Amino acid sequence: DAGVIQSPRHEVTEMGQEVTLRCKPISGHNSLFWYRQTMMRGLELLIYFNNNVPIDDSGMPEDRFSAKMPNASFSTLKIQPSEPRDSAVYFCASSLVSGVGTGELFFGEGSRLTVL
Amino acid sequence: GENVEQHPSTLSVQEGDSAVIKCTYSDSASNYFPWYKQELGKRPQLIIDIRSNVGEKKDQRIAVTLNKTAKHFSLHITETQPEDSAVYFCAASWPGYQKVTFGIGTKLQVIP
Repeated sequence: DAGVIQSPRHEVTEMGQEVTLRCKPISGHNSLFWYRQTMMRGLELLIYFNNNVPIDDSGMPEDRFSAKMPNASFSTLKIQPSEPRDSAVYFCASSLVSGVGTGELFFGEGSRLTVL
Repeated sequence: GENVEQHPSTLSVQEGDSAVIKCTYSDSASNYFPWYKQELGKRPQLIIDIRSNVGEKKDQRIAVTLNKTAKHFSLHITETQPEDSAVYFCAASWPGYQKVTFGIGTKLQVIP
């Protein structure tokens, strides 16, 4: 398996523009997570899905952020409109959650977003 | 919700010495404690984890200890090598809930 695949790897955009980040989880994994990483706040969980259903979106900063998972092999994180404070590395991760609970998170390579 | 505190934020050791990173968690129901390593510009990767039914786990030069009563757990790296230089994150999760809460991270520098 190629692992978790994210695109784009780098995105530079201007304030007010829409940004869409994409993620393909590892085949067979049933949970998908979006994290944001900054120097000041570390790794923050934005939202996670289990079996394509959003379970907890309490980490989504505000209404400008939205995430979807239309099927088991694809998810998007959208920011509209983007602001300079959204600049960060956004990681997607997937895992196989079983009866014993949380499993290992497999991270993608991340999408580095710069909003000018 | 769960809160994980991690310290120190930075740590410098001489090659061959040991390094210890400590974390505390707030939710006594947490039962899964993974540690991730993130090299510069790379993705975080799991290096070791422990569940609450054990007090210690070792894997070669890496060990993790857990004190459920005090709600803290630690990562121990012995005989450090330059390739151990990275940011290390502790995390906690509780049963039946997939959310994994991370500490702020510790930047470890191993000086040759």
